[in-house]
Amino acid sequence: GEDVEQSLFLSVREGDSSVINCTYTDSSSTYLYWYKQEPGAGLQLLTYIFSNMDMKQDQRLTVLLNKKDKHLSLRIADTQTGDSAIYFCARHAMEYGNKLVFGAGTILRVKS
Amino acid sequence: NAGVMQNPRHLVRRRGQEARLRCSPMKGHSHVYWYRQLPEEGLKFMVYLQKENIIDESGMPKERFSAEFPKEGPSILRIQQVVRGDSAAYFCASRGQATTDTQYFGPGTRLTVL
Repeated sequence: GEDVEQSLFLSVREGDSSVINCTYTDSSSTYLYWYKQEPGAGLQLLTYIFSNMDMKQDQRLTVLLNKKDKHLSLRIADTQTGDSAIYFCARHAMEYGNKLVFGAGTILRVKS
Repeated sequence: NAGVMQNPRHLVRRRGQEARLRCSPMKGHSHVYWYRQLPEEGLKFMVYLQKENIIDESGMPKERFSAEFPKEGPSILRIQQVVRGDSAAYFCASRGQATTDTQYFGPGTRLTVL
């Protein structure tokens, strides 16, 4: 089974906050990432967090990491229609040549 | 500084043909990863290469798929005798020398097998 799991769909109203959640099973990862994918496009790195941090804030984005529960979240403040996309959580698997292990993605739909 | 380049962006092949996907990493990057995204799924690791070496191919199907990253030129992912199930988006990522360096992704090649 997958070791990075995400909820499949989230719908919010424009201006509200969005919270996208991710859980993982392997605690050896040093970095955890959030990528954004718009329809037909590649992956855009949004932000990442080092495993010894609890929180990282970058403008409208806040990443929270609960290492004990192996839970990662991405909060987008003041969500805009341009934020509609698929959001992927990924962990850095150093023990396997530094590949990234991705979740299946959360579709964020922002209603105006 | 150009990002990761992939070509072609879209590729259509008939069953049984060969598909060649190219990836030029970011300038100064010598580590390349290939990932496959099946429709409505996340990305799955396929292979990790450094110049002239395959480091980890644990995600590659055992048959029909091969990858290389020659001393000169782009990395190539080659799929022989394509089948409909190979239809997917194939993404390449590159990183710098440090093992913890961020991977930057290309725009992907969308392969459609008729």
